[in-house]
Amino acid sequence: EAGVTQFPSHSVIEKGQTVTLRCDPISGHDNLYWYRRVMGKEIKFLLHFVKESKQDESGMPNNRFLAERTGGTYSTLKVQPAELEDSGVYFCASSRGQGAGTGELFFGEGSRLTVL
Amino acid sequence: SQKIEQNSEALNIQEGKTATLTCNYTNYSPAYLQWYRQDPGRGPVFLLLIRENEKEKRKERLKVTFDTTLKQSLFHITASQPADSATYLCALRSRSTLGRLYFGRGTQLTVWP
Repeated sequence: EAGVTQFPSHSVIEKGQTVTLRCDPISGHDNLYWYRRVMGKEIKFLLHFVKESKQDESGMPNNRFLAERTGGTYSTLKVQPAELEDSGVYFCASSRGQGAGTGELFFGEGSRLTVL
Repeated sequence: SQKIEQNSEALNIQEGKTATLTCNYTNYSPAYLQWYRQDPGRGPVFLLLIRENEKEKRKERLKVTFDTTLKQSLFHITASQPADSATYLCALRSRSTLGRLYFGRGTQLTVWP
């Protein structure tokens, strides 16, 4: 079984540019999450999809961040325009089950974003 | 304010000893608590889950306890090995917010031969 895959693994962009991160969850996992770790801080929740619906997007920092999960399969997270404070590692995770899910999260390797 | 604190940023122990990591939380009502392992440049990997009504869980050399009165979880690795060296993350799921996990900053464990 393939794990959660994320692309790109590392992206370096200038302030003001746009970046789109992609996540392919484990096949059959209805729940998909985005998390972010800024240097020196804990991993923080961004949002949660159940299939194609946003269950909880309360962790999104501001309206420069847009997440989509068309068709309930892969997801994209777009940052436009990027700011310096957006630098960090963006993790995608997926899990089985209906609704919120109750068990373990399967994480991808992360996409490291550096904004210069 | 809500906080999850892991007792130390770094823990160094000798091979064969038991490593004990602490996770304390404030102002959460956890449905359950999880422990993850993270290696450099990799994503977190799930290790154990313990529910609010459980006191202790074991898996091979791993043991986790959960005390909702003390608002604390302890994570033990017995007979530690250099391969256990990694960052260990505590995460909890609150009863009031479905889905999301709240993470501590992690404890970096180094097991030396």
